[in-house]
Amino acid sequence: DQQVKQNSPSLSVQEGRISILNCDYTNSMFDYFLWYKKYPAEGPTFLISISSIKDKNEDGRFTVFLNKSAKHLSLHIVPSQPGDSAVYFCAAHAQGGSEKLVFGKGTKLTVNP
Amino acid sequence: AAGVIQSPRHLIKEKRETATLKCYPIPRHDTVYWYQQGPGQDPQFLISFYEKMQSDKGSIPDRFSAQQFSDYHSELNMSSLELGDSALYFCASSLSFRTGPEGEQFFGPGTRLTVL
Repeated sequence: DQQVKQNSPSLSVQEGRISILNCDYTNSMFDYFLWYKKYPAEGPTFLISISSIKDKNEDGRFTVFLNKSAKHLSLHIVPSQPGDSAVYFCAAHAQGGSEKLVFGKGTKLTVNP
Repeated sequence: AAGVIQSPRHLIKEKRETATLKCYPIPRHDTVYWYQQGPGQDPQFLISFYEKMQSDKGSIPDRFSAQQFSDYHSELNMSSLELGDSALYFCASSLSFRTGPEGEQFFGPGTRLTVL
C-alpha cells in the first residue's frame, strides 16, 4: 500500500521553463512534507519542506504547494536549469511520535538545454 | 558544513556472511535513521534512534540489528546475508521533532551493499 504516490515516473522540460512535480498521499495523519533531490550514487538531498498548517512555502526557485483537502502537493521549479536534472522524491511524516519518512517512488526530471 | 558520513561506501559480501555499516550523524543531531533502497525503489525505513534509544522500527529483518553509541554514531549489523539484501543503505540524521520544529532529515551518501 503506497501511502505517498508520485504517478509520473519521468518529466522532461526545456531549460528556462517551469517544472511541476506532483505528489499525492493517502494518510490523513501526515503533517509534514518534504521534497528531496537525488543524483545517481548519492544520498537524497533535502530541498524544501512544508508543514500541514501552511499551503505554500517558497525558497528561491523552488515552491511547494499543499492542498490538504485534495491530499496533494506539488513542487514548482522556475526557471528550470539543466543542473536540476535528477530524481525527485516526495516524502511525508506522520504525527504521533514516529518520525520516519514515507517516500514516493520518485520522478526523474530531465531539463533539456 | 558537516554532513552525514557513512562507511564503507561500497561493500561486497558472500551469502550467509555478516556486514557492519557505520553512520556518523551531523554534529548536534540527536536522531539517526536507517533506510534501505532497492534497485528502482523508494527508500524504505528500517529503524531509528533518538538519544541512543531505539525510537521506531520499520520493515527490518530479524537478521539485522542496529545501535547508537554514546558519541551518537550508529551501526547497522546484518547477518546471514541474502541476495535480496543487495541495496543502497542510507543513514539520515536530524534534530528530532521533540527538540525543535526543524525536523528535516539529512541523508548520507549511502553504502552500496552487494551480496554475491
